[in-house]
Amino acid sequence: GAVVSQHPSRVICKSGTSVKIECRSLDFQATTMFWYRQFPKQSLMLMATSNEGSKATYEQGVEKDKFLINHASLTLSTLTVTSAHPEDSSFYICSVASESNQPQHFGDGTRLSIL
Amino acid sequence: GQQVMQIPQYQHVQEGEDFTTYCNSSTTLSNIQWYKQRPGGHPVFLIQLVKSGEVKKQKRLTFQFGEAKKNSSLHITATQTTDVGTYFCAGRNTGKLIFGQGTTLQVKP
Repeated sequence: GAVVSQHPSRVICKSGTSVKIECRSLDFQATTMFWYRQFPKQSLMLMATSNEGSKATYEQGVEKDKFLINHASLTLSTLTVTSAHPEDSSFYICSVASESNQPQHFGDGTRLSIL
Repeated sequence: GQQVMQIPQYQHVQEGEDFTTYCNSSTTLSNIQWYKQRPGGHPVFLIQLVKSGEVKKQKRLTFQFGEAKKNSSLHITATQTTDVGTYFCAGRNTGKLIFGQGTTLQVKP
């Protein structure tokens, strides 16, 4: 199956810092990648769909200027949390699917802690 | 909007007991997927169901998709400590995959 690499696995930083998270598809070229957010003991909430070569599609309630997504190549999507605050602390996880109706393969996730 | 409800939220069982988690959608689904997330880990795909009334088995795990394609269940027979984790269903409708809240299973040895 697909292998997804997500980096970094954990980030601790001060309030006001911008944090970039990378998601790489190692096994196949991904025109679409997905970014989720997961609060402790809660479900995965889709934040946005990252589209290679075009703008990301954000879910309702997700600020696109706060969570910048760049999908510059078929194997790499990045999520930048700009001017992060404590309320942005969460588990961010990306996923890749070979086709839109196929299973999703998740990265290991990034645990973001904003002090 | 579309909602996927999953119950129970938590389940504690003695090793060897059976376990079932249920998933219900407010709308008809084109397919449903099940994932398992171990503590501290990421979700891992278990299975996808597509057909109405479909039943699939993976060793001690049995997955069902309802006739109306609005509900699904995961049943584990004779649980083991390795079954510990959170089980998520994820229903797809109009292209979007919506995750249920998950059921966290604890197994006492």
